[in-house]
Amino acid sequence: DIQMTQSPSSLSASVGDRVTITCQASQDISNYLNWYQQKPGKAPKLLIYDASNLETGVPSRFSGSGSGTDFTFTISSLQPEDIATYYCQQYDNLPTFGQGTRLEIK
Amino acid sequence: EVQLVESGGGLVQPGGSLRLSCAASGFTFSSYEMNWVRQAPGKGLEWVSYISSSGSTIYYADSVKGRFTISRDNAKNSLYLQMNSLRAEDTAVYYCARDRSGYGASFAFDIWGQGTMVTVSS
Repeated sequence: DIQMTQSPSSLSASVGDRVTITCQASQDISNYLNWYQQKPGKAPKLLIYDASNLETGVPSRFSGSGSGTDFTFTISSLQPEDIATYYCQQYDNLPTFGQGTRLEIK
Repeated sequence: EVQLVESGGGLVQPGGSLRLSCAASGFTFSSYEMNWVRQAPGKGLEWVSYISSSGSTIYYADSVKGRFTISRDNAKNSLYLQMNSLRAEDTAVYYCARDRSGYGASFAFDIWGQGTMVTVSS
């Protein structure tokens, strides 16, 4: 199984900050990497697919990059509504998720 | 409105069975691959199973293989998950999720249901 190591596991930032989350795959997964946002008590929401493609309707402050084993998710200017847990997910083989990054407002 | 609505969750004893359903609306269900994803209380997401649009291709996570069966009825716009030999570690919210592609598996899940809770306990 492909393991996804996501870091940090939690993060505290101020409104307007640039926030970065990383995800590392245990083997080369090309660009087969998605990012999701999950707010408490809600279903996850797809933000980025194929490592860098913004899902329709998602604000442009969200972005993704990377290929191979190392990937980055960025919020360019943190907004209060961005408080959530973020997950990466690979699909080179059967899907597996990272352990999540809990984002809080400082 | 594109929507997925799960049902069928509940409390079941270890070793018991449960059948989850997912009703789709607002899109051409028969054109999309579908998945089940679960989340144990306070834990992360775990992909459970995949079924192709026609039902001809199916995959399972190792943790449920041999115990769970995914199926679909395109005439009824419905997805199912038959869960047998349930264990305490199967306790989770179960989500059905649509594959965004519409033509072959992309494993990017763009539409999710609200989830249904399954509790396995004596």
